[in-house]
Amino acid sequence: EAGVTQFPSHSVIEKGQTVTLRCDPISGHDNLYWYRRVMGKEIKFLLHFVKESKQDESGMPNNRFLAERTGGTYSTLKVQPAELEDSGVYFCASSQGLLGTGVSSSYNEQFFGPGTRLTVL
Amino acid sequence: AQTVTQSQPEMSVQEAETVTLSCTYDTSESDYYLFWYKQPPSRQMILVIRQEAYKQQNATENRFSVNFQKAAKSFSLKISDSQLGDAAMYFCAYYSVKLVFGAGTILRVKS
Repeated sequence: EAGVTQFPSHSVIEKGQTVTLRCDPISGHDNLYWYRRVMGKEIKFLLHFVKESKQDESGMPNNRFLAERTGGTYSTLKVQPAELEDSGVYFCASSQGLLGTGVSSSYNEQFFGPGTRLTVL
Repeated sequence: AQTVTQSQPEMSVQEAETVTLSCTYDTSESDYYLFWYKQPPSRQMILVIRQEAYKQQNATENRFSVNFQKAAKSFSLKISDSQLGDAAMYFCAYYSVKLVFGAGTILRVKS
């Protein structure tokens, strides 16, 4: 079974340009997550899709970031216009549908992609 | 807000020896999960071990075990009989509503 894939693996762009990152989750996984790690810091949650709907986008830094999940399959994360502080590694993860809400329900493991390293010059 | 702290940016261990990676967290929740993830260089992050907070028994997965101290909010990872393939970045993570990660510890294994 194919794992979570992300494209591109690396991207180098100039400040002010636009970049679109893509994530293909494991087939059948309803949940898709985006995370970001700025160099040397924690991996931080950006947002969570359940199928095509945004369940939680509380981690999105600002309105320069736009995430979509077309038809509940792959997802894109667009940064427009990119700033220097957007540099980092962007991870995508997917998991099966939740059995319930909250921790008392079974936690479904999140499977991570290899990440996209974004460098903004 | 929940936070996860990994106080060791980098650790080294001799092959076949034992190493312990530290992790503390802060939460007001009583029910949650804790995890250790491993990210080898240029590869996917994978789950190494998980611990449900309501379970008193420490989780074990082959050479990997944890020391979970709920009152102290401590969750350390012990790797026994270290192997070259254990070299990676290790992230401690907490989950109640969403995953919260620490900054990571780079583990180097010397042959």
